[in-house]
Amino acid sequence: AQTVTQSQPEMSVQEAETVTLSCTYDTSESDYYLFWYKQPPSRQMILVIRQEAYKQQNATENRFSVNFQKAAKSFSLKISDSQLGDAAMYFCAYTSGTYKYIFGTGTRLKVLA
Amino acid sequence: GAVVSQHPSWVICKSGTSVKIECRSLDFQATTMFWYRQFPKQSLMLMATSNEGSKATYEQGVEKDKFLINHASLTLSTLTVTSAHPEDSSFYICSAYLTSDLYEQYFGPGTRLTVT
Repeated sequence: AQTVTQSQPEMSVQEAETVTLSCTYDTSESDYYLFWYKQPPSRQMILVIRQEAYKQQNATENRFSVNFQKAAKSFSLKISDSQLGDAAMYFCAYTSGTYKYIFGTGTRLKVLA
Repeated sequence: GAVVSQHPSWVICKSGTSVKIECRSLDFQATTMFWYRQFPKQSLMLMATSNEGSKATYEQGVEKDKFLINHASLTLSTLTVTSAHPEDSSFYICSAYLTSDLYEQYFGPGTRLTVT
């Protein structure tokens, strides 16, 4: 069965600094998709970035980028120039052909002014 | 982008009563929707997959007779919590996806259920 692990329950970063959130997963599938979602205090899930497993190039969205290591089954999120508005819960998610998501346990990110 | 709404955003009900939560895809048709439950400071737990025109598929450990799901149209799925008890108090989130959009799910804003 597929699993997603986020080993950092909480992280802190100074405003304007860079932080990396870790995510590892386990699957026997060769084709799948990985996502990072942000859940602010409003609890609305917001897509941050996504990665298709067949693409070797790491996805980037403005200040957000991933380090996708398929062989190591690792999918970390790097947030550059952290802003106060980045403070939230971050969930790593995996899906393959069934469309069902498997979520990690989440990492709470605190941004310090 | 695709928008998913939920109604109500917050509901309080008495123990033993039933409550219905609606999930709508506003600008697209969704043959499949998902219902999640989230306890405070925890991750989202998939409860069931809602399929338009057919029975929902429930995850292991989820009581199908307690959490009734009806997907009557391509834009509406409902979750009814029957004979609610305080332990059913939680945050319920629905989602839907576009098959053309690389498996991305679009999430509703969630419904906070409090059972007194």
